[in-house]
Amino acid sequence: SAVISQKPSRDICQRGTSLTIQCQVDSQVTMMFWYRQQPGQSLTLIATANQGSEATYESGFVIDKFPISRPNLTFSTLTVSNMSPEDSSIYLCSGGAGASTDTQYFGPGTRLTVL
Amino acid sequence: AQSVTQLGSHVSVSEGALVLLRCNYSSSVPPYLFWYVQYPNQGLQLLLKYTSAATLVKGINGFEAEFKKSETSFHLTKPSAHMSDAAEYFCAVSFSRTGFQKLVFGTGTRLLVSP
Repeated sequence: SAVISQKPSRDICQRGTSLTIQCQVDSQVTMMFWYRQQPGQSLTLIATANQGSEATYESGFVIDKFPISRPNLTFSTLTVSNMSPEDSSIYLCSGGAGASTDTQYFGPGTRLTVL
Repeated sequence: AQSVTQLGSHVSVSEGALVLLRCNYSSSVPPYLFWYVQYPNQGLQLLLKYTSAATLVKGINGFEAEFKKSETSFHLTKPSAHMSDAAEYFCAVSFSRTGFQKLVFGTGTRLLVSP
């Protein structure tokens, strides 16, 4: 199993600013993912964070808005850029070995409010 | 199109009563299926998963789920609800049987347990 921590746990930000969320895993994982959970809704995959290369984004999400880094097998960051109130959500990272049958382990999430 | 549906955004039961949370998927190929639980202000925790082995899967905290291909369902049950079971439950599906895992989540069901 893997234990995942995120920083910050919550933040309140002003429109037009950017926030970087950190995700740390206590062991090496092949795959890391970033999800968005909008108020009262389910989780939507933003992107797959690839170690040493550009992230793979899902439809509707772009690198300019959500730049992602993954410098090693235990750490990743997601930046929410030029924020608007519509970006108010919980952002979760997850990690795992990556095969279709494998368990994904989730961090506690970062609750973002944009004013 | 591939999708996952959870019927009922809220389910209320009394303590000691049967818990039944419904999940149906739409796919031409049987996917891999997961149930996750999210307690308030926490990340997601895996309850159980179906990966083509036994169709009746037992998980943590007394939960189990049965994969029924003919009904394209993977409903979650627990014989006797406990107050500590109150949480949000997500059914998730990995439609890819090869390569890296990408999870598609249902909209979630909030379980309310009354004394």
